Amino acid sequence: DIQMTQSPSTLSASVGDRVTITCRASQSISTWLAWYQQKPGKAPKLLIYKASSLESGVPSRFSGSGSGTEFTLTISSLQPDDFATYYCQQYNSYAMWTFGQGTKVEIK
Amino acid sequence: EVQLVESGGGLVQPGGSLRVSCAGSGFTFSSYWMSWVRQAPGKGLEWVANIKQDGDEKYYVDSVKGRFTISRDNAKNSLYLQMNSLRAEDTAVYYCARVPGYSSGWKNFDYWGQGTLVTVSS
Repeated sequence: DIQMTQSPSTLSASVGDRVTITCRASQSISTWLAWYQQKPGKAPKLLIYKASSLESGVPSRFSGSGSGTEFTLTISSLQPDDFATYYCQQYNSYAMWTFGQGTKVEIK
Repeated sequence: EVQLVESGGGLVQPGGSLRVSCAGSGFTFSSYWMSWVRQAPGKGLEWVANIKQDGDEKYYVDSVKGRFTISRDNAKNSLYLQMNSLRAEDTAVYYCARVPGYSSGWKNFDYWGQGTLVTVSS
């Protein structure tokens, strides 16, 4: 099974900060990686797919990069609406998909 | 407008069974892989199961293999998850999600339902 490890688990930041979240896969997944944002009591929202493709309607301050086993989600200038929990997810094979454990972005 | 609406959650005793459903609308349901994803209270997301457009391929996370069955009825635009031999650790909000795949440039989980809570407790 492919394990996904996100870091950090919690991140304290201020509005306007540049924020980077890292996701590592236990084996190569090429670019089969997505990032989601989830707010309390709500369903997750797709931000990035195929490691670096921005979902329609998602602000351009969000970007994704990486391939193989190392991936990052970057928020170039944190906005008040961005305080949430972020998850990476590998979808290398339909037979087994896994999420990272999540990164909570909190107000500093 | 694409919509996914789950139903069927509730309280069930350990060892019991429950079937949750997901009704899709606003898109050609039969053209998409579909999935179930769950989230235990205060915990992260866990992929549970996938089903191919025609229902011929189904995949499950190890922890539910042999206990849960994913199915679909394309004529009714509906997705199901039959859950048997339920355990306390199956307590979670269960979401259905659409898998766009190749036709979208390989997006994943682009639409989600609002979730339905399943509580396993005596």
